[in-house]
Amino acid sequence: RKEVEQDPGPFNVPEGATVAFNCTYSNSASQSFFWYRQDCRKEPKLLMSVYSSGNEDGRFTAQLNRASQYISLLIRDSKLSDSATYLCAVLPPMDSSYKLIFGSGTRLLVRP
Amino acid sequence: EAGVAQSPRYKIIEKRQSVAFWCNPISGHATLYWYQQILGQGPKLLIQFQNNGVVDDSQLPKDRFSAERLKGVDSTLKIQPAKLEDSAVYLCASSLAGFYGSGYTFGSGTRLTVV
Repeated sequence: RKEVEQDPGPFNVPEGATVAFNCTYSNSASQSFFWYRQDCRKEPKLLMSVYSSGNEDGRFTAQLNRASQYISLLIRDSKLSDSATYLCAVLPPMDSSYKLIFGSGTRLLVRP
Repeated sequence: EAGVAQSPRYKIIEKRQSVAFWCNPISGHATLYWYQQILGQGPKLLIQFQNNGVVDDSQLPKDRFSAERLKGVDSTLKIQPAKLEDSAVYLCASSLAGFYGSGYTFGSGTRLTVV
């Protein structure tokens, strides 16, 4: 089993739709979680951190479910500009080296 | 704040040739990472430095890849000799030592094509 797994998609949704991605992780003691956005031929950019209590940033909501070992990203009122690949990243536990492990990404296409 | 600088942006080489990539992290960031991202996959860590020391190089193919960060600032990643499967984007990232709440910042990457 991979340490971090994502549905590759693509998710093809119309503008204005709500879309959600999940990301599962294998190590229950993982410390921190993040969502990154990666545009075509660009580097990943941090979208948001994922906190135990969940967090929201405008149209984006991230949640953590430790019991089921997954994190989620919800995008409301999708815009054309949201089209990108969304990578989840997990910080392993008991690790002094602070290296993030990434999933393979979920591709989102928002159509007019 | 200046970001993570990488060069070159693109490189095309023939297999069995050598290539080197350069990274300058954000000022004050003690931790530097090199990731490899193959098309359609997520970034995979190759090596991590803390200042000028190696913290983790367990996934670095040491028979052909090498990296150094001599003065704890800039870093160079080298591949010699290159193979076709090394075609990928090589991403450098940096972070403050001991981050918890924040992710880290990537450079724009070097896109390597081995023909």
